[in-house]
Amino acid sequence: GNSVTQMEGPVTLSEEAFLTINCTYTATGYPSLFWYVQYPGEGLQLLLKATKADDKGSNKGFEATYRKETTSFHLEKGSVQVSDSAVYFCALSDPGSGGSNYKLTFGKGTLLTVNP
Amino acid sequence: DADVTQTPRNRITKTGKRIMLECSQTKGHDRMYWYRQDPGLGLRLIYYSFDVKDINKGEISDGYSVSRQAQAKFSLSLESAIPNQTALYFCATSDPGRNQPQHFGDGTRLSIL
Repeated sequence: GNSVTQMEGPVTLSEEAFLTINCTYTATGYPSLFWYVQYPGEGLQLLLKATKADDKGSNKGFEATYRKETTSFHLEKGSVQVSDSAVYFCALSDPGSGGSNYKLTFGKGTLLTVNP
Repeated sequence: DADVTQTPRNRITKTGKRIMLECSQTKGHDRMYWYRQDPGLGLRLIYYSFDVKDINKGEISDGYSVSRQAQAKFSLSLESAIPNQTALYFCATSDPGRNQPQHFGDGTRLSIL
């Protein structure tokens, strides 16, 4: 079956530090990959996505590259801000047994805290 | 106004009570989903619906039921609530297709005493 493994948190960084959150996946087909962000008291929001191998998704200074050879989709940001403090979820969309039955499989989430 | 609205936002109730959580959307999406979020476990899919006449069980459907009243409305019921159903519940919507992201409501925090 499908699965997503994220690095365990919490991750605590100082403002302007470099961020990496690791994500690896197992899928039966050719998944699309997503990063979602959850700010305190809110639902999940799409941060970025990549739909095929070697695609790079980017948004708000965050980037992630779809690496089929290592089945990875690591999230990076060069200089984090206090406002980036949130929970980050890696997810994949795959039909599993086939057809159009696409659903998301989520990782367990990584809590990021950025201190001034 | 929010595109995906969940009511109530918070609910405290007692073991054995029947609870209904409601979700409505203005995005015009056919697909709707219910998840629960527990600390350290991420999001787990409870039920999903790909159109008004389609209901499917997710990975943790036991103890829950759903109703898709219209394209825009998808409700989740706990027929007889138990304490281990205490969690944060999210509704989401999407268009069909592998590349389509899901759009989430702000969640319902449910506590069962």
